[in-house]
Amino acid sequence: GNSVTQMEGPVTLSEEAFLTINCTYTATGYPSLFWYVQYPGEGLQLLLKATKADDKGSNKGFEATYRKETTSFHLEKGSVQVSDSAVYFCALSDSPGGSNYKLTFGKGTLLTVNP
Amino acid sequence: DAGVTQSPTHLIKTRGQQVTLRCSPKSGHDTVSWYQQALGQGPQFIFQYYEEEERQRGNFPDRFSGHQFPNYSSELNVNALLLGDSALYLCASSPRTPSNQPQHFGDGTRLSIL
Repeated sequence: GNSVTQMEGPVTLSEEAFLTINCTYTATGYPSLFWYVQYPGEGLQLLLKATKADDKGSNKGFEATYRKETTSFHLEKGSVQVSDSAVYFCALSDSPGGSNYKLTFGKGTLLTVNP
Repeated sequence: DAGVTQSPTHLIKTRGQQVTLRCSPKSGHDTVSWYQQALGQGPQFIFQYYEEEERQRGNFPDRFSGHQFPNYSSELNVNALLLGDSALYLCASSPRTPSNQPQHFGDGTRLSIL
């Protein structure tokens, strides 16, 4: 079955540091890939997505590239802010489009950014 | 434009009881999915409803059941509650078409079993 493995946390960075959170996946076919973010006490918000190989998703300074050859979708940001402190989830969907099929999530990575 | 709304926010039950959680999808969305998020874990898919029928189901026992109403809102029911059912229950909605739209999540219902 499908699975997502992401970097164990917690990750603690200073403001303006470079961020990488690794994510690899196992899936049949051509899944869509997502990064969701969860702030304390809230639900999940979609951060970015990619629906086919070599696609790059980007939003709010975050980027991730769909690498089929390495089955990876690593999240990066060049300069983190205190407000980026949250839990980040990598996820995949069986659907090429991404919305109408179940999402399979990784365990999440807690990011703390200190001023 | 209201997003996905869930009620109640928090709930405390005892073992063996039954619980009903509710979800109203984002305006324009007709598909509702439910997820269980245990503490420190990623969400796990429970099931998905569209056109008032269960369309997909994850690895959850029959104690977990659901319903979707004509206005697209949905309920999650859990019978014979166990301590292990303590979790954050998330509802997500999406439009059936176009199929490339992402799922939008509510803030969840925190269920505690004593």
